Amino acid sequence: GEDVEQSLFLSVREGDSSVINCTYTDSSSTYLYWYKQEPGAGLQLLTYIFSNMDMKQDQRLTVLLNKKDKHLSLRIADTQTGDSAIYFCAEAGRGADSWGKLQFGAGTQVVVTP
Amino acid sequence: GAVVSQHPSWVICKSGTSVKIECRSLDFQATTMFWYRQFPKQSLMLMATSNEGSKATYEQGVEKDKFLINHASLTLSTLTVTSAHPEDSSFYICSARDRAYGYTFGSGTRLTVV
Repeated sequence: GEDVEQSLFLSVREGDSSVINCTYTDSSSTYLYWYKQEPGAGLQLLTYIFSNMDMKQDQRLTVLLNKKDKHLSLRIADTQTGDSAIYFCAEAGRGADSWGKLQFGAGTQVVVTP
Repeated sequence: GAVVSQHPSWVICKSGTSVKIECRSLDFQATTMFWYRQFPKQSLMLMATSNEGSKATYEQGVEKDKFLINHASLTLSTLTVTSAHPEDSSFYICSARDRAYGYTFGSGTRLTVV
């Protein structure tokens, strides 16, 4: 299976909060990232968290990290239609063959309905 | 913040021809660049890691003679798809890494081979 796993789809009503979950396997990862991809576009860095942190908040975004369970989540408060996109979590590899390479999850399609 | 410029954003070419995609870091020096391929509704697949002044390191299963990577300067990496065929049609994305900004992605190139 993949090293980084995410649920594939999330539907949320405009104004509600969205929570996207991710699990990873490399316990030595130092940085974990959340990226947003809109149709036909590249990846936009939303936020990242260092492995010695439990939580990071940046405006509407809150990242929670449970290092023991290797679980990462992204919460988007007051979700807007412009938040509709695919969201990828990624970890920076630390293994001999993966060092410095980003390992991506499959991506979560978030659909925001009015 | 860091910006990576990727050109062209889309290209259509005839089967058997070669196509070059450029990736430039605009305001920082990128010692390492990464090239990804993304199929519809799928995650990013790392093709190769490009280090300035040295040969690229290709991931398993990626044909180095077909996907030529050149990283001649600290701000430019190119991917050339040689003798392109319809199965090479895909979305190609580059990413540049530097110590200050982490990983910054280009906007992607949609390649269609007809």
